[in-house]
Amino acid sequence: EVQLVESGGGLVQPGGSLRLSCAASGFTFSSYEMNWVRQAPGKGLEWVSYISSSGSTIYYADSVKGRFTISRDNAKNSLYLQMNSLRAEDTAVYYCARTLEMATITDFDYWGQGTLVTVSS
Amino acid sequence: SSELTQDPAVSVALGQTVRITCQGDSLRSYYASWYQQKPGQAPVLVIYGKNNRPSGIPDRFSGSSSGNTASLTITGAQAEDEADYYCNSRDSSGNLVVFGGGTKLTVL
Repeated sequence: EVQLVESGGGLVQPGGSLRLSCAASGFTFSSYEMNWVRQAPGKGLEWVSYISSSGSTIYYADSVKGRFTISRDNAKNSLYLQMNSLRAEDTAVYYCARTLEMATITDFDYWGQGTLVTVSS
Repeated sequence: SSELTQDPAVSVALGQTVRITCQGDSLRSYYASWYQQKPGQAPVLVIYGKNNRPSGIPDRFSGSSSGNTASLTITGAQAEDEADYYCNSRDSSGNLVVFGGGTKLTVL
């Protein structure tokens, strides 16, 4: 069974940093592209970042470029999101999502349950 | 980047057919994918590509596209289909992903 489990969320002050993790199991993690998607409280979905299966190709939404860094460790079946210079508007539930194999980068077939990041003083 | 526009809310009578639309310039070049999200749950992919359903998604869900508009059609809506529905696609650069604002579907 495919499982994605996020961790690392919490309360952080504006300007602070946080590192999210996503532990993957039930599939060959190294073969799949991965993403982070977030959802502010009561709001819609916002794609944050993409990383290819090898980690060689990375994309970011304009809203986080230069502040967030996506990475992965295929040996540990884990995806990460390093978030720096956090702002109030980064407050959201952060989901990791797997890209469907042999599909486009917009097709996310499995999602974790999310981890809440709250940026507040 | 580009934007995808969805109607905020749509309603349908139980057992009837409903179409949820998504508009954006990038849809002239790229397919939309569709996600269903129920309160307190993670989104679920219901349609991707030209008109593909992941395993386990009922065949009452279908997708189509024309010009700058993508559509998700639910034929014979059920009470359990009441949810928020989001489209997404690539932006005009082809490298970034954009989501629509979401449509809240109410089944009456």
